[in-house]
Amino acid sequence: DQQVKQNSPSLSVQEGRISILNCDYTNSMFDYFLWYKKYPAEGPTFLISISSIKDKNEDGRFTVFLNKSAKHLSLHIVPSQPGDSAVYFCAASARGAGNMLTFGGGTRLMVKP
Amino acid sequence: NAGVMQNPRHLVRRRGQEARLRCSPVKGHSHVYWYRQLPEEGLKFMVYLQKENIIDESGMPKERFSAEFPKEGPSILRIQQVVRGDSAAYFCASSPGFPDGYTFGSGTRLTVV
Repeated sequence: DQQVKQNSPSLSVQEGRISILNCDYTNSMFDYFLWYKKYPAEGPTFLISISSIKDKNEDGRFTVFLNKSAKHLSLHIVPSQPGDSAVYFCAASARGAGNMLTFGGGTRLMVKP
Repeated sequence: NAGVMQNPRHLVRRRGQEARLRCSPVKGHSHVYWYRQLPEEGLKFMVYLQKENIIDESGMPKERFSAEFPKEGPSILRIQQVVRGDSAAYFCASSPGFPDGYTFGSGTRLTVV
């Protein structure tokens, strides 16, 4: 049973436009959510996070939105740049779970020049 | 200030051999996590260790797989009698104790021939 799902395996966006990556979760114990970016042949790198007490967190071009009632979060990248082309993983953590992260399957973002 | 170091980067083993994957966490990090990424899939949690203790091994197969994080030295993920289905990228992450601090290594790509 997948507790964290990214239903879009890939997304193609024009440079300068907005990229919206979506993530759904089922475990109501999750209280901390993160997005990671991964380039080929490299490990994932932390991008942005959000606690369940918030519904939005912004860092430069990246904004994460959390809708707890819908158990849904999204990552917005504005404006998208070709260097943003990578696989993006959504991850979730539950307090008391030793900071173990549960990952979604990833979405491959391609930003076209 | 080195990040998480994993070696080897690539490992080829014949069916039935043993694979040993090493992970040196970020200096000062006492939490180590191993994840596996099968081709075209997301990151699957395997095991969570603190110094000399296995905290959670719920994602690790009961047979042939073992992990340790000794008082001195790197964390080791050992796979005995490898089979073709073990071919994957194995990522190690370390943390000082909170989700934001998760740092991943570049991974070890295991190929079983």
